[in-house]
Amino acid sequence: VKLVESGGGLVKPGGSLRLSCAASEFTFSDYYMSWIRQAPGKGLEWVSYISGGGSTMFYADSVRGRFTISRDNAKNSLYLQMNSLRADDTAVYYCARDNWGGSGILADSWGQGTLVTVSS
Amino acid sequence: QSALTQPPSVSGSPGQSVTISCTGTSSNVGSYNRVSWYQQPPGTAPKLIIYEVINRPSGVPGRFSGSKSGNTASLTISGLQAEDEADYYCSSYTTSSTWVFGGGTKLTVL
Repeated sequence: VKLVESGGGLVKPGGSLRLSCAASEFTFSDYYMSWIRQAPGKGLEWVSYISGGGSTMFYADSVRGRFTISRDNAKNSLYLQMNSLRADDTAVYYCARDNWGGSGILADSWGQGTLVTVSS
Repeated sequence: QSALTQPPSVSGSPGQSVTISCTGTSSNVGSYNRVSWYQQPPGTAPKLIIYEVINRPSGVPGRFSGSKSGNTASLTISGLQAEDEADYYCSSYTTSSTWVFGGGTKLTVL
């Protein structure tokens, strides 16, 4: 399993950013995928997940209405569109594969993360 | 979506055992066996070490074990080794069809 995030960077409050995650070495469309973030020096926070076909999405309260998760199975890619960014969105954003083959597993594989910094 | 409750820190000497608790509610830990544990050494991405309360992914040493009673899940590390020093996080599925993490526990090997 290989997951490689990109698209992080410095953005001003109120701005937008789109993260991407390139997946390989597994059948991407068979798996739910999640975004998980970690603010500097803080713990992990689940952000959003999307079903394998892309029809089902759920969001954390802290990002609902501002962030949109999507995927392109033809390109083996996962995305996170982040709008109306705030300082407290500053974090390393991880792309992760979920596994619903059994009872349900969040994040059985992780990318290396991409840093998003929201600051004026 | 309140975080699950973990102790901020635990410590133990090499060879000893330590247990990290993860307390939730009937809306998350108490309702599902979808509880996982992750290990995160400094400067690295987290790694799954326990899933579905008690199961270990391939390659995770048998020194790591998980359990659950009611609304509280636990991770036990037996025969502590210096390489086990890391942050540990639990997660659980919730009745709102979302996921929630614990606040994390820093393990120090003395």
